[in-house]
Amino acid sequence: EVQLVESGGGLVQPGGSLRLSCATSGFTFTTYSLTWVRQAPGKGLEWVSYISSSSSTIYYADSVKGRFTISRDNAKNSMNLQMNSLRAEDTAVYYCATWTRYSGSYFFDYWGQGTLVTVSS
Amino acid sequence: EIVLTQSPGTLSLSPGERATLSCRASQSVSSSNLVWYQQKPGQAPRLLIYGASSRATGIPDRFSGSGSGTDFTLTISRLEPEDFAVYYCQHYGNSVWTFGQGTKVEIK
Repeated sequence: EVQLVESGGGLVQPGGSLRLSCATSGFTFTTYSLTWVRQAPGKGLEWVSYISSSSSTIYYADSVKGRFTISRDNAKNSMNLQMNSLRAEDTAVYYCATWTRYSGSYFFDYWGQGTLVTVSS
Repeated sequence: EIVLTQSPGTLSLSPGERATLSCRASQSVSSSNLVWYQQKPGQAPRLLIYGASSRATGIPDRFSGSGSGTDFTLTISRLEPEDFAVYYCQHYGNSVWTFGQGTKVEIK
């Protein structure tokens, strides 16, 4: 069974830092690209960051570029999101998700349950 | 940057009725990269439809997707109680991932 489990969320003051982790199991980690997607309370989904299977390609949404850093450890089947200079607008549930290419199409197929990040003084 | 606009914002229907959800792109997009997700309260999104019209594994055939260019549609032929949820369309292109704002399908 495929599992993605996020951790590291919590309450942080504006300007502070937080490190999220995504532990995975049940699939061949080294062959999957991974992403972070967030959802502010009562709002829609927003893509945050992407990392390829070998970490050779990384992308960020403009809203987090320069403040967030994505990484992965293929030996530990895990992914991280280092979040610095946090703002109130970063408050959201953060999901990790696999990014799959199949039959010429791309999609998020497996998702974690999410971890809540609250940025507030 | 492509913007996806979903309509209506909320759809109030009864079980057994047909639901038709729209997703309009600000410019023509590849159907291969148009995806639909379902999200229930307190849960992660679930993949429904990829490539605009292909059902994901385990998705009932009452769900169907169609469209091309700028206009895409998710249809639920007969609503079951478990189908009341929020639905998002999503597109990937040029290293940018975009979601629509969602359509809530609620019980009338």
